[in-house]
Parts: sequence; structure tokens; C-alpha cells
Amino acid sequence: AQTVTQSQPEMSVQEAETVTLSCTYDTSESDYYLFWYKQPPSRQMILVIRQEAYKQQNATENRFSVNFQKAAKSFSLKISDSQLGDAAMYFCAYRSQYTGNQFYFGTGTSLTVIP
Amino acid sequence: DSGVTQTPKHLITATGQRVTLRCSPRSGDLSVYWYQQSLDQGLQFLIQYYNGEERAKGNILERFSAQQFPDLHSELNLSSLELGDSALYFCASSVDAGLQETQYFGPGTRLLVL
Repeated sequence: AQTVTQSQPEMSVQEAETVTLSCTYDTSESDYYLFWYKQPPSRQMILVIRQEAYKQQNATENRFSVNFQKAAKSFSLKISDSQLGDAAMYFCAYRSQYTGNQFYFGTGTSLTVIP
Repeated sequence: DSGVTQTPKHLITATGQRVTLRCSPRSGDLSVYWYQQSLDQGLQFLIQYYNGEERAKGNILERFSAQQFPDLHSELNLSSLELGDSALYFCASSVDAGLQETQYFGPGTRLLVL
């Protein structure tokens, strides 16, 4: 099975500052998808950003961007200009057709935003 | 509001019992996914259906089964329940079944097995 590792159980950031959440994964495949999901206290899962492994360009969605290092199997999430509403649990996830289209999730990083 | 609905919101039952969780996908979405989120095992993908057919299978126990009906709603059946089955069960839907598809998650059903 693929493994997705989020080594930071908790992170905090000052409001308006930038924070980077780490994610590494283990795979022997060349084509796959990576995702970051946000889970606020409401427990709803919300897609933040998605990256296709065959695309070299890092995905960006407004204040959210990724640093995708395919050779290093690293997929970090950068949140710029952090807002109070960004406080949530963040999950990194991996998916590929070679593993039966399954999703593999990391254990999550709890982000606190300090006013 | 993602447009995905799940019922019931909360469920309390006893060990050995059987329960059914229901999910209605967003209008137009053909694919439904089920996930289990528990404290000790994190977020786990259980199973995916696309237009009534099973498309992908994850760590779904044999005591669990799911199906997607012609109207595209889906049910997850959990039987011979154990204490460890207590978890938040999410359903998600997407337009298509592709790997890149954006999934929209429902609010979840919180199951407590006593």
C-alpha cells in the first residue's frame, strides 16, 4: 500500500503570515494525483488544491500553493496571508489508477491561526 | 453546503447490530465515495461507485457493504457492529469517476457503537 506521511501533527501561524505544511509519500508509480483537503471544526472535508504528477508546474489556488518535488516525493502546502478561517485540520492525499483508484490519506496537520 | 446529503447525522447503536447509512450525491454527480474517519485509524477510503457499479475498493471490511441505486443514491451497510466501528462516515460525490475529479463531501454520519 502507498503511504502518505504528514510529519507535523500541529502547526500554528500568526494571522497574515505564511505557513507551510509538509507531506511526503511513497510510490513507485510515475502518474498519480495529490490533494490537500481541509477539515474545519464543522468536520466537512473541503478540497483545497490538487496536483497532477505529470505536470511540473506547481498548482495554485488563490492564497494556497504547493511545492511539488516529484523526485523527492514531497508535496507541501503553502498558505499565504493566513486568515482565521484557515484554522482546520489539513490532510494530504494520494491517488493513482495503479493502486485501484484508492485514496491514501496522511494523518493530518492541525493548523491554528493566532490573531 | 456541498450539495451532498447524508442521513442520519448521528447514530447510536449496540455491538452486534446492523445499520444503514444513506447518501444522496449532488445533482448530476454519477460517482459516490465512502470514507471512514476514526481516531485511531485516521481517514480511510472504503469504496467508490460509479453509475451503479463498483469502481474502486479500499479498506472495507467484509462486514461492511455498499451499493448505489438507479437514482444514484448510495447506502453503506454496517453489520455485526463492533466498538471499533465507532467513527465518522463520510460520503462524497463527483461528476465522473476519474482520478482528477473534485469530490464534494457530505457532512458525515457520526456512528457510536456502545
